[in-house]
Amino acid sequence: GEDVEQSLFLSVREGDSSVINCTYTDSSSTYLYWYKQEPGAGLQLLTYIFSNMDMKQDQRLTVLLNKKDKHLSLRIADTQTGDSAIYFCADHRGSYIPTFGRGTSLIVHP
Amino acid sequence: NAGVTQTPKFQVLKTGQSMTLQCAQDMNHNSMYWYRQDPGMGLRLIYYSASEGTTDKGEVPNGYNVSRLNKREFSLRLESAAPSQTSVYFCASSPRGGETGELFFGEGSRLTVL
Repeated sequence: GEDVEQSLFLSVREGDSSVINCTYTDSSSTYLYWYKQEPGAGLQLLTYIFSNMDMKQDQRLTVLLNKKDKHLSLRIADTQTGDSAIYFCADHRGSYIPTFGRGTSLIVHP
Repeated sequence: NAGVTQTPKFQVLKTGQSMTLQCAQDMNHNSMYWYRQDPGMGLRLIYYSASEGTTDKGEVPNGYNVSRLNKREFSLRLESAAPSQTSVYFCASSPRGGETGELFFGEGSRLTVL
Protein backbone atom coordinates (compact mmCIF):
# COMPACT_ATOMS: atom_id res chain seq x y z
CA GLY A 1 0.00 0.00 0.00
CA GLU A 2 0.89 3.65 -0.19
CA ASP A 3 3.13 5.21 2.43
CA VAL A 4 0.98 8.32 2.62
CA GLU A 5 -2.75 8.12 1.95
CA GLN A 6 -5.33 10.82 1.38
CA SER A 7 -8.87 10.85 0.08
CA LEU A 8 -9.03 12.31 -3.43
CA PHE A 9 -11.90 14.78 -3.13
CA LEU A 10 -13.60 17.02 -0.58
CA SER A 11 -16.50 19.35 -1.28
CA VAL A 12 -17.57 22.03 1.20
CA ARG A 13 -19.80 25.06 1.28
CA GLU A 14 -18.24 28.50 1.51
CA GLY A 15 -17.96 29.58 5.15
CA ASP A 16 -17.88 26.03 6.52
CA SER A 17 -14.80 24.32 7.93
CA SER A 18 -12.84 21.87 5.79
CA VAL A 19 -10.97 18.92 7.24
CA ILE A 20 -8.47 17.10 5.05
CA ASN A 21 -7.10 13.86 6.43
CA CYS A 22 -3.88 11.98 5.84
CA THR A 23 -2.45 8.73 7.16
CA TYR A 24 1.18 7.68 7.01
CA THR A 25 2.95 4.46 7.78
CA ASP A 26 6.47 5.34 8.88
CA SER A 27 6.76 5.83 12.62
CA SER A 28 10.15 7.47 12.17
CA SER A 29 8.60 10.45 10.40
CA THR A 30 10.04 13.63 11.84
CA TYR A 31 8.31 16.35 9.85
CA LEU A 32 4.87 16.29 8.27
CA TYR A 33 3.94 18.93 5.74
CA TRP A 34 0.90 20.26 3.97
CA TYR A 35 1.41 21.70 0.51
CA LYS A 36 -1.16 23.58 -1.57
CA GLN A 37 -1.35 23.50 -5.36
CA GLU A 38 -3.52 26.09 -7.05
CA PRO A 39 -4.72 25.45 -10.62
CA GLY A 40 -1.91 25.65 -13.16
CA ALA A 41 0.77 26.24 -10.54
CA GLY A 42 3.40 24.36 -8.62
CA LEU A 43 3.14 23.26 -5.00
CA GLN A 44 3.73 25.70 -2.18
CA LEU A 45 4.28 24.86 1.45
CA LEU A 46 1.20 25.73 3.47
CA THR A 47 2.24 24.59 6.92
CA TYR A 48 4.14 21.86 8.72
CA ILE A 49 4.32 20.17 12.10
CA PHE A 50 7.16 18.49 13.94
CA SER A 51 6.54 14.98 15.13
CA ASN A 52 6.87 15.99 18.78
CA MET A 53 3.85 18.31 18.49
CA ASP A 54 0.17 17.43 18.69
CA MET A 55 -1.27 20.59 17.23
CA LYS A 56 -0.24 23.69 15.37
CA GLN A 57 -2.43 26.67 14.62
CA ASP A 58 -1.74 29.34 12.04
CA GLN A 59 -4.58 31.80 11.46
CA ARG A 60 -7.37 29.81 9.75
CA LEU A 61 -5.29 26.64 9.60
CA THR A 62 -5.11 23.99 12.32
CA VAL A 63 -2.92 20.92 11.98
CA LEU A 64 -3.57 17.96 14.26
CA LEU A 65 -1.16 15.06 14.60
CA ASN A 66 -2.03 11.73 16.20
CA LYS A 67 1.24 9.83 16.30
CA LYS A 68 -0.28 6.72 17.80
CA ASP A 69 -2.67 6.33 14.86
CA LYS A 70 -0.23 7.93 12.35
CA HIS A 71 -2.95 10.36 11.36
CA LEU A 72 -2.54 13.96 10.28
CA SER A 73 -5.31 16.41 9.54
CA LEU A 74 -5.58 19.94 8.17
CA ARG A 75 -8.55 22.03 9.21
CA ILE A 76 -9.36 25.20 7.32
CA ALA A 77 -11.80 27.45 9.16
CA ASP A 78 -14.24 29.69 7.28
CA THR A 79 -13.36 28.11 3.94
CA GLN A 80 -13.33 30.54 1.01
CA THR A 81 -13.48 29.99 -2.75
CA GLY A 82 -9.81 30.96 -2.88
CA ASP A 83 -9.05 27.86 -0.82
CA SER A 84 -10.11 25.65 -3.75
CA ALA A 85 -6.95 23.74 -4.64
CA ILE A 86 -5.24 20.39 -4.30
CA TYR A 87 -3.74 19.76 -0.87
CA PHE A 88 -0.84 17.35 -0.51
CA CYS A 89 0.29 15.71 2.68
CA ALA A 90 4.03 14.95 2.72
CA ASP A 91 6.10 12.89 5.06
CA HIS A 92 9.79 13.73 5.57
CA ARG A 93 11.78 11.09 7.38
CA GLY A 94 15.20 12.67 7.59
CA SER A 95 16.13 11.58 4.08
CA TYR A 96 16.53 13.62 0.95
CA ILE A 97 13.23 12.42 -0.39
CA PRO A 98 9.81 13.38 0.93
CA THR A 99 6.91 11.04 0.29
CA PHE A 100 3.77 12.72 -1.02
CA GLY A 101 0.19 11.57 -0.85
CA ARG A 102 -1.90 11.64 -4.02
CA GLY A 103 -3.49 14.94 -3.06
CA THR A 104 -6.99 15.94 -1.99
CA SER A 105 -8.93 18.22 -4.35
CA LEU A 106 -10.87 20.71 -2.23
CA ILE A 107 -13.89 22.16 -3.99
CA VAL A 108 -15.58 25.13 -2.33
CA HIS A 109 -19.05 26.01 -3.57
CA PRO A 110 -21.30 28.95 -2.69
CA ASN B 1 12.82 36.52 -6.28
CA ALA B 2 12.83 34.01 -9.13
CA GLY B 3 13.01 30.86 -6.95
CA VAL B 4 12.80 27.78 -9.18
CA THR B 5 12.51 28.46 -12.89
CA GLN B 6 11.52 25.80 -15.41
CA THR B 7 11.63 26.00 -19.18
CA PRO B 8 9.76 25.43 -21.37
CA LYS B 9 6.34 25.83 -19.80
CA PHE B 10 4.59 23.97 -22.62
CA GLN B 11 5.88 21.52 -25.21
CA VAL B 12 4.34 19.19 -27.76
CA LEU B 13 6.48 16.35 -29.10
CA LYS B 14 5.99 13.53 -31.54
CA THR B 15 6.72 9.98 -30.44
CA GLY B 16 10.44 9.30 -30.70
CA GLN B 17 11.58 12.91 -30.48
CA SER B 18 13.95 14.02 -27.76
CA MET B 19 13.95 17.08 -25.57
CA THR B 20 15.44 18.52 -22.41
CA LEU B 21 13.56 20.24 -19.62
CA GLN B 22 15.63 22.88 -17.91
CA CYS B 23 15.49 23.86 -14.26
CA ALA B 24 17.42 26.49 -12.37
CA GLN B 25 17.22 27.71 -8.78
CA ASP B 26 18.72 30.86 -7.32
CA MET B 27 18.39 29.97 -3.63
CA ASN B 28 21.75 28.18 -3.24
CA HIS B 29 19.96 24.95 -2.42
CA ASN B 30 21.85 21.68 -2.25
CA SER B 31 19.12 19.23 -3.30
CA MET B 32 17.08 19.23 -6.48
CA TYR B 33 14.31 16.97 -7.71
CA TRP B 34 12.25 16.12 -10.79
CA TYR B 35 8.66 14.93 -10.34
CA ARG B 36 5.89 14.11 -12.73
CA GLN B 37 2.24 14.69 -11.89
CA ASP B 38 -0.54 12.67 -13.48
CA PRO B 39 -4.27 12.78 -12.63
CA GLY B 40 -5.06 10.60 -9.63
CA MET B 41 -1.41 9.59 -9.23
CA GLY B 42 -0.12 12.50 -7.23
CA LEU B 43 3.57 13.32 -7.51
CA ARG B 44 6.02 10.65 -8.54
CA LEU B 45 9.75 11.18 -8.18
CA ILE B 46 11.74 10.63 -11.36
CA TYR B 47 15.28 11.57 -10.29
CA TYR B 48 16.87 13.60 -7.57
CA SER B 49 20.21 15.15 -6.80
CA ALA B 50 21.14 15.34 -3.14
CA SER B 51 24.06 17.62 -3.87
CA GLU B 52 26.10 18.95 -6.76
CA GLY B 53 27.79 16.08 -8.56
CA THR B 54 25.36 13.35 -7.48
CA THR B 55 22.16 12.02 -9.00
CA ASP B 56 19.95 9.09 -8.05
CA LYS B 57 16.92 7.33 -9.44
CA GLY B 58 13.52 7.87 -7.97
CA GLU B 59 10.34 5.90 -8.32
CA VAL B 60 9.87 6.20 -12.12
CA PRO B 61 13.25 6.80 -13.83
CA ASN B 62 12.76 4.70 -16.98
CA GLY B 63 12.89 6.74 -20.17
CA TYR B 64 14.61 9.72 -18.51
CA ASN B 65 18.10 10.97 -17.85
CA VAL B 66 19.27 13.87 -15.72
CA SER B 67 22.27 16.14 -15.41
CA ARG B 68 23.21 18.23 -12.40
CA LEU B 69 25.15 20.79 -14.40
CA ASN B 70 26.17 22.85 -11.38
CA LYS B 71 24.63 23.77 -8.05
CA ARG B 72 21.96 25.91 -9.72
CA GLU B 73 20.85 23.74 -12.62
CA PHE B 74 19.28 20.31 -12.93
CA SER B 75 18.02 19.19 -16.34
CA LEU B 76 15.75 16.30 -17.33
CA ARG B 77 16.14 14.67 -20.74
CA LEU B 78 13.73 12.48 -22.65
CA GLU B 79 15.79 10.63 -25.24
CA SER B 80 12.89 9.06 -27.18
CA ALA B 81 9.55 10.44 -26.06
CA ALA B 82 6.56 8.13 -25.67
CA PRO B 83 2.86 8.99 -25.20
CA SER B 84 3.10 7.58 -21.65
CA GLN B 85 5.41 10.49 -20.85
CA THR B 86 2.62 12.99 -21.42
CA SER B 87 2.48 14.69 -18.05
CA VAL B 88 3.18 17.80 -16.04
CA TYR B 89 6.77 17.89 -14.85
CA PHE B 90 7.86 19.75 -11.74
CA CYS B 91 11.32 20.65 -10.65
CA ALA B 92 11.90 21.33 -6.96
CA SER B 93 14.79 22.28 -4.72
CA SER B 94 15.49 21.99 -1.03
CA PRO B 95 17.96 23.89 1.13
CA ARG B 96 19.40 20.97 3.07
CA GLY B 97 20.54 17.59 1.92
CA GLY B 98 20.47 14.79 4.47
CA GLU B 99 17.85 16.50 6.62
CA THR B 100 14.23 17.24 6.26
CA GLY B 101 13.28 20.49 4.69
CA GLU B 102 10.72 22.35 2.70
CA LEU B 103 10.66 21.81 -1.05
CA PHE B 104 10.36 24.79 -3.35
CA PHE B 105 8.63 24.02 -6.63
CA GLY B 106 8.73 25.53 -10.08
CA GLU B 107 5.52 26.26 -11.94
CA GLY B 108 5.67 23.13 -14.03
CA SER B 109 6.33 22.11 -17.63
CA ARG B 110 3.36 20.67 -19.48
CA LEU B 111 4.47 18.06 -22.00
CA THR B 112 2.27 16.34 -24.56
CA VAL B 113 3.63 13.46 -26.63
CA LEU B 114 1.59 12.60 -29.70
